[in-house]
Amino acid sequence: DAKTTQPTSMDCAEGRAANLPCNHSTISGNEYVYWYRQIHSQGPQYIIHGLKNNETNEMASLIITEDRKSSTLILPHATLRDTAVYYCIVRVSGNRDDKIIFGKGTRLHILP
Amino acid sequence: EPEVTQTPSHQVTQMGQEVILRCVPISNHLYFYWYRQILGQKVEFLVSFYNNEISEKSEIFDDQFSVERPDGSNFTLKIRSTKLEDSAMYFCASSRSYEQYFGPGTRLTVT
Repeated sequence: DAKTTQPTSMDCAEGRAANLPCNHSTISGNEYVYWYRQIHSQGPQYIIHGLKNNETNEMASLIITEDRKSSTLILPHATLRDTAVYYCIVRVSGNRDDKIIFGKGTRLHILP
Repeated sequence: EPEVTQTPSHQVTQMGQEVILRCVPISNHLYFYWYRQILGQKVEFLVSFYNNEISEKSEIFDDQFSVERPDGSNFTLKIRSTKLEDSAMYFCASSRSYEQYFGPGTRLTVT
């Protein structure tokens, strides 16, 4: 089973920042937090990952709490194309061929 | 930007028939995976493949399933005798490091 808890769905107005929370209270010291998303009928898409420091790339920012028990994915200026299911995943990055265990994710609706 | 490709995009087959789903991973990637997603359900891991052998497989990946990397570019998933419950989207993924990149999927419909 997935080790994370996410809200089932969220709405966000177009142009605003979308903040997607994730709880991972049982995370281990060697486990990273990954975020993927799945736009309708497409394959999952990697967004970002981090261990304990905040991370930013061209798609999003990842804020991880100091105790690492929760995190927030931030899409700074959401567009309609960001409507998707967002998956927060905890996994060990030491094994490069390690599988991804997907949960149900958060269905994010970007509203025009 | 390089991407994972999959063919066909949609495959319809009769129960009991064999199907082969094809994937072309990103060229410098070393790790390959198959996942599936039954309509309305979660994405499920099937198998991982590295250095020409299976690294890990799930309970779903029984004797009816096999994977092969027949040449330097293709990665295939074979289902020997399809069942109705094999109907799903099948996603191939590849990675070089820790991020897995997924293909667009093959929709398999077993009638």
